[in-house]
Amino acid sequence: QKEVEQNSGPLSVPEGAIASLNCTYSDRGSQSFFWYRQYSGKSPELIMSIYSNGDKEDGRFTAQLNKASQYVSLLIRDSQPSDSATYLCAVNRNTGGFKTIFGAGTRLFVKA
Amino acid sequence: GAVVSQHPSRVICKSGTSVKIECRSLDFQATTMFWYRQFPKQSLMLMATSNEGSKATYEQGVEKDKFLINHASLTLSTLTVTSAHPEDSSFYICSVQGVSNTEAFFGQGTRLTVV
Repeated sequence: QKEVEQNSGPLSVPEGAIASLNCTYSDRGSQSFFWYRQYSGKSPELIMSIYSNGDKEDGRFTAQLNKASQYVSLLIRDSQPSDSATYLCAVNRNTGGFKTIFGAGTRLFVKA
Repeated sequence: GAVVSQHPSRVICKSGTSVKIECRSLDFQATTMFWYRQFPKQSLMLMATSNEGSKATYEQGVEKDKFLINHASLTLSTLTVTSAHPEDSSFYICSVQGVSNTEAFFGQGTRLTVV
């Protein structure tokens, strides 16, 4: 089992729709969770961070965390073609040394 | 957030030669930096944790003698790919993190092509 799992996609949504991205993680001791966006050939950039159960909203983005289910999600409202990218779920853990573990990423296409 | 500068952004080298990649934390004293490798359409794979003033910690399966890491100051870590081969061609990215629960700040990445 991978430490951080995501559906690789591609996920295709029409412009203006809601894109829903999901992620599960295996280490119950994980405390910090992040969503990064990565355009082709570029480094990842942070979209959202979430540390406690529930929802966290920032503009068109909402991150959801459920530690009991070891599940993190990202909702993108009013999706735009510029949102087309790969979205990486990441989890910080401090077991066996501090490190950030990334999921394989979900490719999102927003069709104009 | 921290500003991280990585150099070079692209490099092409001949098989058997060595390549050095620099990662600088411009506004943050980083006792720890991280090196990742990313193959096309795959995720970031942590290669090693670079520790200022001490030896790097390598992930399982990463050859420490092939990927030499030096972290001689709080603002600079270098990754040297020794005796590069075409299979080492990849996107190499460094990152800096603050205290343990903060996000990662990434360098621009280095596209290495070994011919």
